[in-house]
Amino acid sequence: AAGVIQSPRHLIKEKRETATLKCYPIPRHDTVYWYQQGPGQDPQFLISFYEKMQSDKGSIPDRFSAQQFSDYHSELNMSSLELGDSALYFCASSLGIQETQYFGPGTRLLVL
Amino acid sequence: GEDVEQSLFLSVREGDSSVINCTYTDSSSTYLYWYKQEPGAGLQLLTYIFSNMDMKQDQRLTVLLNKKDKHLSLRIADTQTGDSAIYFCAESIGGYSTLTFGKGTMLLVSP
Repeated sequence: AAGVIQSPRHLIKEKRETATLKCYPIPRHDTVYWYQQGPGQDPQFLISFYEKMQSDKGSIPDRFSAQQFSDYHSELNMSSLELGDSALYFCASSLGIQETQYFGPGTRLLVL
Repeated sequence: GEDVEQSLFLSVREGDSSVINCTYTDSSSTYLYWYKQEPGAGLQLLTYIFSNMDMKQDQRLTVLLNKKDKHLSLRIADTQTGDSAIYFCAESIGGYSTLTFGKGTMLLVSP
């Protein structure tokens, strides 16, 4: 069965650079979620979208923005990167809000 | 993860049963989930339980929910070395779609 696809899988950036992470949900899924997992930490919710509209917002820094496109894929844009942004970024998708979330493999971001 | 608590570490022998425990604080939790994360990998959904259920069994996995005590457990029967991973308990609350995770329990299965 098709799963959530995230790209790139690994990314190395320097401080103050920008990064764009992409997420392709499971076909027919209309809701995407972004989570950030720091080293040794639990995943923390950042933001979610349902039918291309922001549905919920968590601890997403102002330096980050995200959107969901007409084909339901989502992009997380990160600017003015800081060392503390180094983490594993997960995207999850579901068929509708409050439905079971299926996670992608994550993008590992390292900020030097 | 301060609303969801888990013990950090569990070590068992291959073939034994493992029980991973989780407590949560929000009584309006709708669904409770167990995810598995292997080293350097993503989060794999193992199972979930709706808050009006008290037990769910899926092959080697048994989930028990004590809503009065806000306690959730995951029992893995006949634990195998391939079960070694971090197990996260997560809750979704009421009309919200976001998941709140516990800190994760590292399960180590020795031969």
